[in-house]
Amino acid sequence: RKEVEQDPGPFNVPEGATVAFNCTYSNSASQSFFWYRQDCRKEPKLLMSVYSSGNEDGRFTAQLNRASQYISLLIRDSKLSDSATYLCVVNIGGGGSGNTPLVFGKGTRLSVIA
Amino acid sequence: SQTIHQWPATLVQPVGSPLSLECTVEGTSNPNLYWYRQAAGRGLQLLFYSVGIGQISSEVPQNLSASRPQDRQFILSSKKLLLSDSGFYLCAWSVGLWEVTLHFGNGTRLTVT
Repeated sequence: RKEVEQDPGPFNVPEGATVAFNCTYSNSASQSFFWYRQDCRKEPKLLMSVYSSGNEDGRFTAQLNRASQYISLLIRDSKLSDSATYLCVVNIGGGGSGNTPLVFGKGTRLSVIA
Repeated sequence: SQTIHQWPATLVQPVGSPLSLECTVEGTSNPNLYWYRQAAGRGLQLLFYSVGIGQISSEVPQNLSASRPQDRQFILSSKKLLLSDSGFYLCAWSVGLWEVTLHFGNGTRLTVT
């Protein structure tokens, strides 16, 4: 089983739609979870961290289910500018210094259509 | 503010040729530096990381090597490229090792023909 698995997509959605991405991780010792965004042919950039209680940043909501080893990202009211690949990232360590490498999923591609 | 420079942006090289990709960071001291590769249909793969000058750790055995001759300079090299070396190479830095926030360079798209 791969360490971090994501549906590769593409997800083609109209503007204004709500879209959800899922990610599963294999190592139950994983402690830190994040979503990165990568625009076409560009470098990845941190979008948001995922906390156990769930967290929201504007139109973006991230949730974690430790029992199922599952992370999700929900985007409401999709904009054309949301078109990108969304990478699920897991850290076995606590995310601070001296822990372990971040493990990146292959990403889910989103295309928001006018 | 901190910036990271990576070059070249695009590279086409024949099989068996050497490779040298360079990355420099400005505006910070003693950064942790990383080389990642993103091949088509695959996730980001950590190749090397460095916590200081001359200190290189390899995550994946292959025909690539890395060096850190100066505090803010990280170089990825190969003596003989393989077709399988094609991909998008990304240099990144962070303040702490394995920190959440990785700052990536613009990347080098390498095609080995």
